[in-house]
Amino acid sequence: KAGVTQTPRYLIKTRGQQVTLSCSPISGHRSVSWYQQTPGQGLQFLFEYFSETQRNKGNFPGRFSGRQFSNSRSEMNVSTLELGDSALYLCASSLDEGNYGYTFGSGTRLTVV
Amino acid sequence: GENVEQHPSTLSVQEGDSAVIKCTYSDSASNYFPWYKQELGKRPQLIIDIRSNVGEKKDQRIAVTLNKTAKHFSLHITETQPEDSAVYFCAASKGGSYIPTFGRGTSLIVHP
Repeated sequence: KAGVTQTPRYLIKTRGQQVTLSCSPISGHRSVSWYQQTPGQGLQFLFEYFSETQRNKGNFPGRFSGRQFSNSRSEMNVSTLELGDSALYLCASSLDEGNYGYTFGSGTRLTVV
Repeated sequence: GENVEQHPSTLSVQEGDSAVIKCTYSDSASNYFPWYKQELGKRPQLIIDIRSNVGEKKDQRIAVTLNKTAKHFSLHITETQPEDSAVYFCAASKGGSYIPTFGRGTSLIVHP
């Protein structure tokens, strides 16, 4: 059974650019959540998609956006990158509506220079 | 909204000792409490979870206890080994369309 797949694994971008990250959840999982992880800040929730709809949103600026496709794959986009956006971006998928038992992907390490 | 406090932020033990990480939550409607382990450079992985209708759950050297009245839950690791060194996150969830709230993490260091 394939796990949660995130691409790319590593990314280096310049300030002001935009970036798109991809997440393919476990087959059958309809909920996909995105988290930003930086040293000392733990897991900061970005947003959650369920059946192609954004169901929950964290406290991040509008530069951070996402979407989910009919096959449950999800993308997140960050526009006008800032140095502070450098982080590990984790995607997690869940089978149940209740978000029980997340399975995380390996993450995308974004470095903004 | 839900608030999860996790302590300590860093825990250093000798191999073979026990380790305890504690979390408190604020929303009495929370009913699912997972723990995740994140080794350096790797993804967080679910290691054990407990639901509100259970007070304790064990899986080999790890156990989780839940006190619903006091709204706190703890992770216990016995006979620690160097490979237990990692960051551990607790979370609280109330199901439905609610996302889990994570603690800030505990860095566990097991010295050989």
